[in-house]
Amino acid sequence: AQSVTQLDSQVPVFEEAPVELRCNYSSSVSVYLFWYVQYPNQGLQLLLKYLSGSTLVKGINGFEAEFNKSQTSFHLRKPSVHISDTAEYFCAFSGNTPLVFGKGTRLSVIA
Amino acid sequence: NAGVTQTPKFQVLKTGQSMTLQCAQDMNHEYMSWYRQDPGMGLRLIHYSVGAGITDQGEVPNGYNVSRSTTEDFPLRLLSAAPSQTSVYFCASSPSGGPQAGELFFGEGSRLTVL
Repeated sequence: AQSVTQLDSQVPVFEEAPVELRCNYSSSVSVYLFWYVQYPNQGLQLLLKYLSGSTLVKGINGFEAEFNKSQTSFHLRKPSVHISDTAEYFCAFSGNTPLVFGKGTRLSVIA
Repeated sequence: NAGVTQTPKFQVLKTGQSMTLQCAQDMNHEYMSWYRQDPGMGLRLIHYSVGAGITDQGEVPNGYNVSRSTTEDFPLRLLSAAPSQTSVYFCASSPSGGPQAGELFFGEGSRLTVL
């Protein structure tokens, strides 16, 4: 069965510190990987995506993620977070099925 | 730019009542979908459509119906509301299926409470 696991439900981090949000997937077919962000009381918006090519992908707001096929991971990173990055982040993938989401990681940036 | 528009934004129903959540997009997207979001559960796919006249079930379709008579509209019907359907519902669209179906454009959500 295809699935995606976000290893941390909540991540608190101080402002200007680096952050990594972890995501692992399970699939027997080629996958396409995504990170979405949801700010309070809003819909989700695409942060970045991996479809093919370079395994390091850059997204909006200074975020980047690296696709690691051998470890079946797609971790999201930012070298220095801001208060405005406080939100919920969702990892998702599509293979031969519609988009499947992880359960989300709530990032709280502390001043 | 309207994008994906959902109505209503908030709704309270009594158990057994029926209602329709409306979703419209003005981007000429072929792919549309409905998700529900529950605390600690992420987003779960209810139904999706790859084009007008074509719909399919997602992970949690029970209790919901959809139709796709036009490219623009994809309404979600609750036939007989149950408290377990209390949730936030999101409609999302994409230019096409395949990998691009992961590049979803979301509406702002409809918060439904069933008493």
